[in-house]
Amino acid sequence: AQKITQTQPGMFVQEKEAVTLDCTYDTSDQSYGLFWYKQPSSGEMIFLIYQGSYDEQNATEGRYSLNFQKARKSANLVISASQLGDSAMYFCAMREVNYGGSQGNLIFGKGTKLSVKP
Amino acid sequence: DSGVTQTPKHLITATGQRVTLRCSPRSGDLSVYWYQQSLDQGLQFLIQYYNGEERAKGNILERFSAQQFPDLHSELNLSSLELGDSALYFCASSARRGLDGYTFGSGTRLTVV
Repeated sequence: AQKITQTQPGMFVQEKEAVTLDCTYDTSDQSYGLFWYKQPSSGEMIFLIYQGSYDEQNATEGRYSLNFQKARKSANLVISASQLGDSAMYFCAMREVNYGGSQGNLIFGKGTKLSVKP
Repeated sequence: DSGVTQTPKHLITATGQRVTLRCSPRSGDLSVYWYQQSLDQGLQFLIQYYNGEERAKGNILERFSAQQFPDLHSELNLSSLELGDSALYFCASSARRGLDGYTFGSGTRLTVV
């Protein structure tokens, strides 16, 4: 069965510094997708970045980048130049197997609570 | 506004009662997914519907059921509610396979007292 592990329950980072949030995954599938979501205290789930298993380059979206190491089965999120508004829960997720014309559901890690200090 | 609409936003009800949570997916999306987020269990996948048909089932209790209607909106029915059912229930939608990802609604906060 697929599994996502986030080993950092909470992290602190100084404003304007970079921070790495860890995520490891377990799957026997060759084709899979990895996602990161942000959940601020207001509760909504905000999509940040996506990495496909066959993508040769690491994904980047603005200040977010994904450090994808396939052999190690890790997909760490790097946030550069942290801002106070980055304080939130961050979830790593993997898409389960696609079926027919639909995308498979997501399975989530337990999340990392990031606090940005001024 | 993400394009996925969930109602109601908040719900308080007593143990033993039954409630219905509603989700309207983003325009054009055929898949709807339901998730439960609680403090002790994290984000758990409950069930997926695709174009009206059940596509995948996760850790959904027998007391819970769902369906997707011809207009693609979905309802999650929770019955014989227990205190432990108190959680944030998310609905997400996605298009056909691709890189569009998943769009989440703002959730329904259910409190069972």
